[in-house]
Amino acid sequence: DQQVKQNSPSLSVQEGRISILNCDYTNSMFDYFLWYKKYPAEGPTFLISISSIKDKNEDGRFTVFLNKSAKHLSLHIVPSQPGDSAVYFCAARGRWDSNYQLIWGAGTKLIIKP
Amino acid sequence: DAGVIQSPRHEVTEMGQEVTLRCKPISGHNSLFWYRQTMMRGLELLIYFNNNVPIDDSGMPEDRFSAKMPNASFSTLKIQPSEPRDSAVYFCASSPWQGNYGYTFGSGTRLTVV
Repeated sequence: DQQVKQNSPSLSVQEGRISILNCDYTNSMFDYFLWYKKYPAEGPTFLISISSIKDKNEDGRFTVFLNKSAKHLSLHIVPSQPGDSAVYFCAARGRWDSNYQLIWGAGTKLIIKP
Repeated sequence: DAGVIQSPRHEVTEMGQEVTLRCKPISGHNSLFWYRQTMMRGLELLIYFNNNVPIDDSGMPEDRFSAKMPNASFSTLKIQPSEPRDSAVYFCASSPWQGNYGYTFGSGTRLTVV
């Protein structure tokens, strides 16, 4: 049972345009949502997060939106640059039996076309 | 800080052989995680440790997999005997404490079992 879903395996965007990566979740107990970015042959790196009590968090070209009623979050990258080409993982933090866990989506490969 | 260090970067082994993957977390980080990445399943949590103690190993696929953390600066993931379906990229990550979602990942070990 996938609690965090990234339904688009890949996304292609023109350089300079907006990239929108989507993520859906099923568990209303998640308290933090985050995005990680992964380049080939490297480990994922933390990009941006949002608390469940907020609906928007912005960091430079990156903005994450959270719609709790729809159990949906999205990552906007504006403007998209070639260096943004990577796999983006959505993850959600939950707490079970006093232990925290990150539940990961399957990832979306973003390709920025010149 | 050199970050999370994993070795080897690549491992090719024959089916039935024992494989040992190694990880050195960031000094001072109390939580260590072992993940496996495959095309089909994305990032899967195999096991994690808090203060060198295994907390949740429910993600370990079979008894062929075992993990140890003898001290705060070293962990191993062992597969014995290895099978072709174990081929994947294995990541180690560490964080300052278990609820902290800002994991630092190593560069991964690409395992190929032939």
